[in-house]
Amino acid sequence: SQQGEEDPQALSIQEGENATMNCSYKTSINNLQWYRQNSGRGLVHLILIRSNEREKHSGRLRVTLDTSKKSSSLLITASRAADTASYFCATGKGGGNKLTFGTGTQLKVEL
Amino acid sequence: DAGVIQSPRHEVTEMGQEVTLRCKPISGHDYLFWYRQTMMRGLELLIYFNNNVPIDDSGMPEDRFSAKMPNASFSTLKIQPSEPRDSAVYFCASSPRTSGTDTQYFGPGTRLTVL
Repeated sequence: SQQGEEDPQALSIQEGENATMNCSYKTSINNLQWYRQNSGRGLVHLILIRSNEREKHSGRLRVTLDTSKKSSSLLITASRAADTASYFCATGKGGGNKLTFGTGTQLKVEL
Repeated sequence: DAGVIQSPRHEVTEMGQEVTLRCKPISGHDYLFWYRQTMMRGLELLIYFNNNVPIDDSGMPEDRFSAKMPNASFSTLKIQPSEPRDSAVYFCASSPRTSGTDTQYFGPGTRLTVL
């Protein structure tokens, strides 16, 4: 079963705007990761945040984690048309075990 | 490194036929995962291996599905007999245990259509 639930399911914005996606999960975690999937392709790892971290940045990506609320958010700043993709959160318990993926947010960035 | 390699990329078959999907993980990765993705059910974990040994196959939908990993560089997912509802994109992913973070590297997927 899917532990992560992304919100919103779909998001459409204009190029240059910021995009925010949220993820909620149910059980304790070691880390939370975000992946991107372009149409017809495999998932690509974007960024990881550990359970003892609250915020992490990578380029135009900013991830926050609130373990008390069991939620995370992914912010993409100054979006580009090339950011159009589906974004998935995934939770892990560490030690090389399986990840549990969410349902994904479809982001469309229009010119 | 070439990344995770899957073959074939596309497979069209008729109901009742046997289908074999193949995966070559990234060299040195200890974990291998098989996923299925559909619009209706999203991304589902079917089975995963650690050091060639199946660890969790609770996601395998039924006995028609089987997976093997005869060595560290090769895995197969077999469906016999195939049914139209098996139509989906099947992904293979691998993960290095040493990372300790469960980060997975996905292949390009095999798009399976069962007529």
